[in-house]
Amino acid sequence: GQNIDQPTEMTATEGAIVQINCTYQTSGFNGLFWYQQHAGEAPTFLSYNVLDGLEEKGRFSSFLSRSKGYSYLLLKELQMKDSASYLCAVEPFPYKYIFGTGTRLKVLA
Amino acid sequence: DTAVSQTPKYLVTQMGNDKSIKCEQNLGHDTMYWYKQDSKKFLKIMFSYNNKELIINETVPNRFSPKSPDKAHLNLHINSLELGDSAVYFCASSQETSGEETQYFGPGTRLLVL
Repeated sequence: GQNIDQPTEMTATEGAIVQINCTYQTSGFNGLFWYQQHAGEAPTFLSYNVLDGLEEKGRFSSFLSRSKGYSYLLLKELQMKDSASYLCAVEPFPYKYIFGTGTRLKVLA
Repeated sequence: DTAVSQTPKYLVTQMGNDKSIKCEQNLGHDTMYWYKQDSKKFLKIMFSYNNKELIINETVPNRFSPKSPDKAHLNLHINSLELGDSAVYFCASSQETSGEETQYFGPGTRLLVL
């Protein structure tokens, strides 16, 4: 079967660094997405990894290891507004997607 | 069992045609959504619907209409398809429209209008 796993909930302190992990088992791999979703809103695109390695965009970075079926989203200098759900989604084949159920991050003052 | 399913997975059609994409969820959720993924991978919400209320994103052309035969289904009907409608469309569901309820996404339907 095809599966994506990510922690259900995480808690971190304002100003800290948090790493949200995502592991996947799929029959193919075309890319991996991270989305941020605030309660009651549409997901916001954060990153799209196709090749192994780390991609940095400001306070957010995303890492991919295709051989390990593993990705993580790294959030630095956490802010209260970063409290949200973070969705990992894999594209095993072009235009086919599998979403994880999301990691709910709570940032505490 | 697939929680949120969409059919078809791929849809290739001519401009001007009318088509439908079906979505079914077996999670017993109250609310369903349709999203369009643009070329930059951004997800834009088109509709959210529960058995009480349909909320339409005002930027969605009225050629697009959601149809819900029952609580487990929310189909997307598109009239007079245009080239710009080519995209991936995602269906999702959640238990409520607000709060911290998780949205469960379907696998997407790739629509290509020629």
